[in-house]
Amino acid sequence: GIQVEQSPPDLILQEGANSTLRCNFSDSVNNLQWFHQNPWGQLINLFYIPSGTKQNGRLSATTVATERYSLLYISSSQTTDSGVYFCAVPRAQGGSEKLVFGKGTKLTVNP
Amino acid sequence: KAGVTQTPRYLIKTRGQQVTLSCSPISGHRSVSWYQQTPGQGLQFLFEYFSETQRNKGNFPGRFSGRQFSNSRSEMNVSTLELGDSALYLCASSSFSGGGYTFGSGTRLTVV
Repeated sequence: GIQVEQSPPDLILQEGANSTLRCNFSDSVNNLQWFHQNPWGQLINLFYIPSGTKQNGRLSATTVATERYSLLYISSSQTTDSGVYFCAVPRAQGGSEKLVFGKGTKLTVNP
Repeated sequence: KAGVTQTPRYLIKTRGQQVTLSCSPISGHRSVSWYQQTPGQGLQFLFEYFSETQRNKGNFPGRFSGRQFSNSRSEMNVSTLELGDSALYLCASSSFSGGGYTFGSGTRLTVV
């Protein structure tokens, strides 16, 4: 099956710094999602981005499907950005599909 | 509109017992899928339901089962609980019309 790899596994920043998280996938995909898991466990949808670039406030994401990677940019980081960031790609299985997740990037933003 | 609602948020069960978790999807979403998250295995797909039919199942033992009702609400059941079933269980709903998946807050199950 498809392999989804995220880097770095851990990232520690000072408040105000910028960061780039990467997601590589081993096969072609027709869409991709980025999630932020907050300290209470909820997966919050950040971007649904099969290709191209999207921006939402201080966050933006770029997926280059032909190169099999996606990037998540966080600018002017805040302590509330702390948590684990996952990318996930849907894969067909049986009569539907399932999400295949990377192992995540744990981000810690210190004040 | 309301998001995906999972109940309960926390559960503590004894080994050998059974447990039922509930998930109400976003209104109008007919697909509900379940995932298990553990520190060792990460996020793993359990099963997916669409219009009351299980369409897809992950690599989990038969102790894990589920169902979906006509209003799209879904339940998952784990029988004969084992210590290794301690995990965060997340459900997601999707309309498959673009926009991807939306997850609930999860149910954290602890088996003692």
